[in-house]
Amino acid sequence: AQSVTQLGSHVSVSEGALVLLRCNYSSSVPPYLFWYVQYPNQGLQLLLKYTTGATLVKGINGFEAEFKKSETSFHLTKPSAHMSDAAEYFCAVSAGGNQFYFGTGTSLTVIP
Amino acid sequence: DTGVSQNPRHKITKRGQNVTFRCDPISEHNRLYWYRQTLGQGPEFLTYFQNEAQLEKSRLLSDRFSAERPKGSFSTLEIQRTEQGDSAMYLCASSLAARGGTDTQYFGPGTRLTVL
Repeated sequence: AQSVTQLGSHVSVSEGALVLLRCNYSSSVPPYLFWYVQYPNQGLQLLLKYTTGATLVKGINGFEAEFKKSETSFHLTKPSAHMSDAAEYFCAVSAGGNQFYFGTGTSLTVIP
Repeated sequence: DTGVSQNPRHKITKRGQNVTFRCDPISEHNRLYWYRQTLGQGPEFLTYFQNEAQLEKSRLLSDRFSAERPKGSFSTLEIQRTEQGDSAMYLCASSLAARGGTDTQYFGPGTRLTVL
């Protein structure tokens, strides 16, 4: 079975500071991992994904994530937060089928 | 590529009424998914189509819920005899079947349902 745990339902950072959003997964098979962002009253937008190959994945808007198998983690980072990054972020895992399992989300607040 | 579209964006209905939502996927995508998202939660899988065939249904999809994709293009999700617990955001996603690995799902803006 697959599942995702996102530690910290709310994260606040100052503008220009490092963003770190945590995601740990559980999967009985090699996982495929995704980060999505959701702005208020909108659908989910794909930020980045890990399927195979390089474990450091770069996405849109300056975000990146590193797949660490030993830690079963896929944390999302951005070196410098921007006001426009304020949103809800979801980590998702797939075992190669068609079902995605999402975490409960992390709300990011950027303080000016 | 116009993205995934959903209509209506908002629906307010009274308990006991039937509602229907529509999803238009990205045109070349052959897979279509429905999810439900309640406040403070991530999306939960409801059902999935490959072309016109409904291949998977979650236990969350009670008998009051039905989904169709008659021509393998757009899809509808109907909820009969709505209950207050059905209030949620209903998200549609589409993907192009990948050879091996997993698809990347692209989401629409969602339909927010409020049952009074």
